[in-house]
Amino acid sequence: DTGVSQDPRHKITKRGQNVTFRCDPISEHNRLYWYRQTLGQGPEFLTYFQNEAQLEKSRLLSDRFSAERPKGSFSTLEIQRTEQGDSAMYLCASSPSFRDGSYEQYFGPGTRLTVT
Amino acid sequence: GDSVTQMEGPVTLSEEAFLTINCTYTATGYPSLFWYVQYPGEGLQLLLKATKADDKGSNKGFEATYRKETTSFHLEKGSVQVSDSAVYFCALIKAAGNKLTFGGGTRVLVKP
Repeated sequence: DTGVSQDPRHKITKRGQNVTFRCDPISEHNRLYWYRQTLGQGPEFLTYFQNEAQLEKSRLLSDRFSAERPKGSFSTLEIQRTEQGDSAMYLCASSPSFRDGSYEQYFGPGTRLTVT
Repeated sequence: GDSVTQMEGPVTLSEEAFLTINCTYTATGYPSLFWYVQYPGEGLQLLLKATKADDKGSNKGFEATYRKETTSFHLEKGSVQVSDSAVYFCALIKAAGNKLTFGGGTRVLVKP
């Protein structure tokens, strides 16, 4: 069990550029989640996948954001035309099937995005 | 909507002191409750959980009891160490739910 991995760990980009982040979940976890965490705040839910299907999206996920999980394994989160307000830590989590009455979510180290 | 409120930090303690971090929630139904910890430079780690009323979650000397009557899930540790310095997040997830709702986090600093 190698844990959830995310790439890159840090990204600095200029306003207006597009960025893409990757998340590799724990193998055999069929659920994958994206969250955003701004400085001094708790993570906020963005979207989640069950296998390759994107089943829920937050209102925080504007039209400039798109997420995919094409083969039900890794996922990508793309932000188009970045804005300074997009600067945050983007967290990925995965979970196995329902166990012990809840879906435990295991988090990756995050990708810190800075938009200049 | 669902929400989690936890005490603001920072909380500064001396080693071996007693730690308590208050957490209350608002949610319909019977959510599962969690405490996550984020050490400096690291990702979120699940510390403990409770899935029904009166359950007590425990791990690494930390404990929290799911109190439905007061909608609370306070985190406690009897004797903290410097290595417990971190940010602690209380969170909930609805039954068979899809997303965690987090509190704002409480930074704890333990001094030797």
